[in-house]
Amino acid sequence: DAGVTQSPTHLIKTRGQQVTLRCSPKSGHDTVSWYQQALGQGPQFIFQYYEEEERQRGNFPDRFSGHQFPNYSSELNVNALLLGDSALYLCASSSPPGQEITQYFGPGTRLTVL
Amino acid sequence: RKEVEQDPGPFNVPEGATVAFNCTYSNSASQSFFWYRQDCRKEPKLLMSVYSSGNEDGRFTAQLNRASQYISLLIRDSKLSDSATYLCVVIPGGSYIPTFGRGTSLIVHP
Repeated sequence: DAGVTQSPTHLIKTRGQQVTLRCSPKSGHDTVSWYQQALGQGPQFIFQYYEEEERQRGNFPDRFSGHQFPNYSSELNVNALLLGDSALYLCASSSPPGQEITQYFGPGTRLTVL
Repeated sequence: RKEVEQDPGPFNVPEGATVAFNCTYSNSASQSFFWYRQDCRKEPKLLMSVYSSGNEDGRFTAQLNRASQYISLLIRDSKLSDSATYLCVVIPGGSYIPTFGRGTSLIVHP
């Protein structure tokens, strides 16, 4: 049973660039959430996708956008990168909202912005 | 006041010790609670859900105190492998947006 997978594992970008991170959910899950985890902090919720729509959004600027595909995989896009965007980006999958809400996390993508 | 607060620690304990962490939350409408474990530079992994009546899983016991708005995690007979950061997660009723605490670091030494 494949768990949550993310790519790439590491990424280095410079300020102002754009980045796309990818996530495939655990088998049987159709809801994907994205989190940003800065060093020494807990994960911060960015947004959640279900049925190819953004269902919930945390307190992140519009530079952060996403997409969910028919196969439930998802992308996180960040435009105009800032130094403060350097963090571990985690994807988590779960069952549809309203059902079991336990989330399973992928290994994350570590983004460094120089 | 932060929505979810945890003492970052570190809690430094010898093998075999009993250690307890608390996590306070500010939203009284919160309905779902979890403890996750995160090893250094790894993803969080679900340790256990927290039920109103309290629940136990081996050496781990989780409790919820709604009146005082906190959850707790008790680890008995600590092992070296318990060394990790423990994150509490709170989900308000009607929302599916989990709020994580910053985590409590546990170091178990020989």
